[in-house]
Amino acid sequence: GESVGLHLPTLSVQEGDNSIINCAYSNSASDYFIWYKQESGKGPQFIIDIRSNMDKRQGQRVTVLLNKTVKHLSLQIAATQPGDSAVYFCAEMYDTGRRALTFGSGTRLQVQP
Amino acid sequence: EPEVTQTPSHQVTQMGQEVILRCVPISNHLYFYWYRQILGQKVEFLVSFYNNEISEKSEIFDDQFSVERPDGSNFTLKIRSTKLEDSAMYFCASSDVISGYTDTQYFGPGTRLTVL
Repeated sequence: GESVGLHLPTLSVQEGDNSIINCAYSNSASDYFIWYKQESGKGPQFIIDIRSNMDKRQGQRVTVLLNKTVKHLSLQIAATQPGDSAVYFCAEMYDTGRRALTFGSGTRLQVQP
Repeated sequence: EPEVTQTPSHQVTQMGQEVILRCVPISNHLYFYWYRQILGQKVEFLVSFYNNEISEKSEIFDDQFSVERPDGSNFTLKIRSTKLEDSAMYFCASSDVISGYTDTQYFGPGTRLTVL
């Protein structure tokens, strides 16, 4: 079936360390992938996106890697800060003709001081 | 920085009552969306809206739901006869289209709907 899933429900890291959050997807036809951050009581906040014709994209302190061979997506956060503590969702869009995002179940990132 | 806004932040209603959730998308965006998140669960797509009509809807978006863009700035979600299981956070989102490519969906802060 079509699904977007996350390997770990909770990730705990020390402040200053790098964090890696993983996501698996099963639909090889997915065209577009996005990472969102959600803090308690707030809406999903866009972090970074990547299209299926790319395998890496970098932003400020964040990098998204896409491995289409194994249908795997990861979010790397460099020098993790307490403000990075949140739930992180990956989401996929099957194709640009269908704009509905399918969200994964989320990974909670806890940054220890 | 432009942002999506939603009102109210929290809505409490009795089962069977009608509710209207309101959103003001980012002003130059063309696509509008509603998603919901039941407590502790994934964010789920409900509906997308473009050019004054629904462009896509999920199986969740049944006949009790409707959307409307009553003026140039607001986008609403109406639930005609609320059920207990409609209790959730409802998020509005909007996106633009640049050169035919899908653009980022930006989410509002959400409305927490509690059905008693």
